Amino acid sequence: QVQLAQSGDEVKKPGASVKVSCKASGYTFTNYDINWVRQATGQGLEWMGWMDPNSGNSGFAQKFQGRVTVTRDTSISTAYMELSSLRSEDTAIYYCARVMKAVGSWYFDLWGRGSLVTVSS
Amino acid sequence: DIQMTQSPFSLSASVGDRVTITCRASQTIYRYLNWYQQKPGKAPELLIYGVYSLQSGVPSRFSGGGSGADFTFTISSLQPEDFATYYCQQTYSTPYTFGQGTKLEIK
Repeated sequence: QVQLAQSGDEVKKPGASVKVSCKASGYTFTNYDINWVRQATGQGLEWMGWMDPNSGNSGFAQKFQGRVTVTRDTSISTAYMELSSLRSEDTAIYYCARVMKAVGSWYFDLWGRGSLVTVSS
Repeated sequence: DIQMTQSPFSLSASVGDRVTITCRASQTIYRYLNWYQQKPGKAPELLIYGVYSLQSGVPSRFSGGGSGADFTFTISSLQPEDFATYYCQQTYSTPYTFGQGTKLEIK
């Protein structure tokens, strides 16, 4: 079925990096942008960035620029988000989401289940 | 960046009630306004896109409206499974900002 399967939970030390994967199935991976959204415990949703799996083009929220990298492996329909220089404030659930682009409206119609990243010494 | 101001922050209501949440953008976002539902421990789910279009499989008691920069989300008759947190989101320009969320609780 159509889904985004994310990698498992991670525990990292401050200063380290984490790489979260998002494997698409049931649809053509390169036809839809993948976006990344995170949510700290008890907090709201925070958009991080986007990637076009076809071209590899990407863009990020300013607060993450320089610390986040998104890549993809089209042969296995998988997107990756790597966040570096981790600090405790990066402890959150990280979601990937597919973007549906209709005329006049773009929306996140398919979400992964989330990957919890805990940053702790 | 476009700021999304959602209200109320929390809402207490009973089964069968009609509830409305509002979302105001800091500038015109045309029809690039979506609504999501999130239950504890789960990923968000799309309910409404393009201001008023109902996502496939979503019950018709959910509806959206508004234009320009002011939008509403309404549940016509609350069901027990509707108690959750709701977020608006603009996708007019990056960063694709979300509202702060509205937690809908049982009275």
